[in-house]
Amino acid sequence: EAGVAQSPRYKIIEKRQSVAFWCNPISGHATLYWYQQILGQGPKLLIQFQNNGVVDDSQLPKDRFSAERLKGVDSTLKIQPAKLEDSAVYLCASSFGGDQPQHFGDGTRLSIL
Amino acid sequence: QKEVEQDPGPLSVPEGAIVSLNCTYSNSAFQYFMWYRQYSRKGPELLMYTYSSGNKEDGRFTAQVDKSSKYISLFIRDSQPSDSATYLCAMSGLRGANAGGTSYGKLTFGQGTILTVHP
Repeated sequence: EAGVAQSPRYKIIEKRQSVAFWCNPISGHATLYWYQQILGQGPKLLIQFQNNGVVDDSQLPKDRFSAERLKGVDSTLKIQPAKLEDSAVYLCASSFGGDQPQHFGDGTRLSIL
Repeated sequence: QKEVEQDPGPLSVPEGAIVSLNCTYSNSAFQYFMWYRQYSRKGPELLMYTYSSGNKEDGRFTAQVDKSSKYISLFIRDSQPSDSATYLCAMSGLRGANAGGTSYGKLTFGQGTILTVHP
């Protein structure tokens, strides 16, 4: 079974620039999650999708972050404009939904200069 | 106070030792408990997944949940150098959105414990 695919693996940008991350979940997984993991901390949920719809975006900084999941499969997460404190690893996870376990991709490591 | 507290370590043990990793939590709505292992520059990998109180064993790994004390543990027997990684506890709530302040399926993680097993 192919895992969760994410790209790019690394990204370096200057503050105030924009950046986008892409995620392809495990086939058949209806639920998709984006997490932010700051160095030395556990992942923190940014947004949760169930098929095309948003279930939880309460911790997404909506003034600068946006995410979409077109056709209920792939998803993109965008930051515009980036701030220094956005330096982190952005992890995508997927599951069949509900209480089913989540499986993570290897993340995109973002550095803001 | 954080919802999930985990001692960040670092923890260094000799090969063959028994390792004990622990988390405490404050939100009584948490019902599902997980342990993830994260190698450097990789995503978290699910190790153990339990529901409610009790023990669950899988090979060298044993997960314990004590809901009355709001305390979960992961034990690693006969630890190996390949077990060297960051271990993350995670938990989620009941069916139904926004149960007890946590939405269904949302994982709340501990800080992670860095484990090194030396030969």
